[in-house]
Amino acid sequence: EAEVAQSPRYKITEKSQAVAFWCDPISGHATLYWYRQILGQGLELLVQFQDESVVDDSQLPKDRFSAERLKGVDSTLKIQPAELGDSAMYLCASSLALTGGAYNEQFFGPGTRLTVL
Amino acid sequence: DAKTTQPPSMDCAEGRAANLPCNHSTISGNEYVYWYRQIHSQGPQYIIHGLKNNETNEMASLIITEDRKSSTLILPHATLRDTAVYYCIVRAVTGKLIFGQGTTLQVKP
Repeated sequence: EAEVAQSPRYKITEKSQAVAFWCDPISGHATLYWYRQILGQGLELLVQFQDESVVDDSQLPKDRFSAERLKGVDSTLKIQPAELGDSAMYLCASSLALTGGAYNEQFFGPGTRLTVL
Repeated sequence: DAKTTQPPSMDCAEGRAANLPCNHSTISGNEYVYWYRQIHSQGPQYIIHGLKNNETNEMASLIITEDRKSSTLILPHATLRDTAVYYCIVRAVTGKLIFGQGTTLQVKP
């Protein structure tokens, strides 16, 4: 069964350093999402792509976070510089289409757990 | 975006049906109700979704009230592996899912 791949699974960094996370969605999925989940809390959408275009990045802290999906396939989320409050699980998800109830099931990857010291 | 309200936690005996309620009184006519679950330290897993009619799949059943202001997820025969956080979500027309705190379901032997 096709899966969303993410790497690394775990990342420990010191504050003020740069970190990057990678996501490879399920083949053929046009929509890609990055979420952040602070321990014990729900998921917060950071950015949503439709192919290579950003659809929603209203919750992305743009002073330090950036995301790209240059060829409309895999995606990278970067934090520079990292802060203590960025410690969280970063989850990537993909779906076949942007809208339409039948095809908007989001498939999630295993996530990257970031710890900022 | 419509907001959902769920109880923070529930217990269920193994082998019994687990009924998880959700209120979404501000849902719009074209917004779908989605349910996901998240087992500890894993990414969320899709369970089921619906618009107006009740839905059933191999994992669960979704009962949506006629006025669409609330719904219930039913796991017909809960097992220990169903212990997880269950999220009820109203999906915006943009496709955006807004996750709340969810319900922590504890299935007990």
